[in-house]
Amino acid sequence: AQSVTQPDIHITVSEGASLELRCNYSYGATPYLFWYVQSPGQGLQLLLKYFSGDTLVQGIKGFEAEFKRSQSSFNLRKPSVHWSDAAEYFCAVDDAGGTSYGKLTFGQGTILTVHP
Amino acid sequence: DADVTQTPRNRITKTGKRIMLECSQTKGHDRMYWYRQDPGLGLRLIYYSFDVKDINKGEISDGYSVSRQAQAKFSLSLESAIPNQTALYFCATRSPNNEQFFGPGTRLTVL
Repeated sequence: AQSVTQPDIHITVSEGASLELRCNYSYGATPYLFWYVQSPGQGLQLLLKYFSGDTLVQGIKGFEAEFKRSQSSFNLRKPSVHWSDAAEYFCAVDDAGGTSYGKLTFGQGTILTVHP
Repeated sequence: DADVTQTPRNRITKTGKRIMLECSQTKGHDRMYWYRQDPGLGLRLIYYSFDVKDINKGEISDGYSVSRQAQAKFSLSLESAIPNQTALYFCATRSPNNEQFFGPGTRLTVL
């Protein structure tokens, strides 16, 4: 069964600092990978996705992520964090690459706090 | 208007009551999903449906049932609510290019 691990429950950074949120997955076939962001009291917004091709993907709000098959990782990065980036971030893997059922498995989430 | 809507947005109920959470979408997608979110656990899949004739159990379906009344509507029911079903519930649709679109969520509290 597929699984996703986000090792960091809570990360605090200063505004303007760089950010990296870690995500490791376990999946037998080629994964479809996603990062979502959830602002307080809001639903989930898709930041970026990886299906195939270039392993460095660009998303919205200045975020990017790199797929590393050898490390089973899909880490999210941003070079300079803004106070509005404070939110909870979820990594997810989709089984569509294998069975086409399209079920998402989510990590536990990482809460990002941004200090001024 | 939002593409995926959920009603109600907030609900407080008592143990043993029957509750229905409703989801509607205007995206024209065949595939729809119900997830629950608990702090520290991320989102977990309850049920999913590929079309009006297809319903499948997800990871945590015990205590829940669903109904796909039409392509656009997918309802989640708690037949007899219990306190550990207190959570944030999300409905989602899936596009043909494999993106999922989430509703705003329903916050359910079972006393």
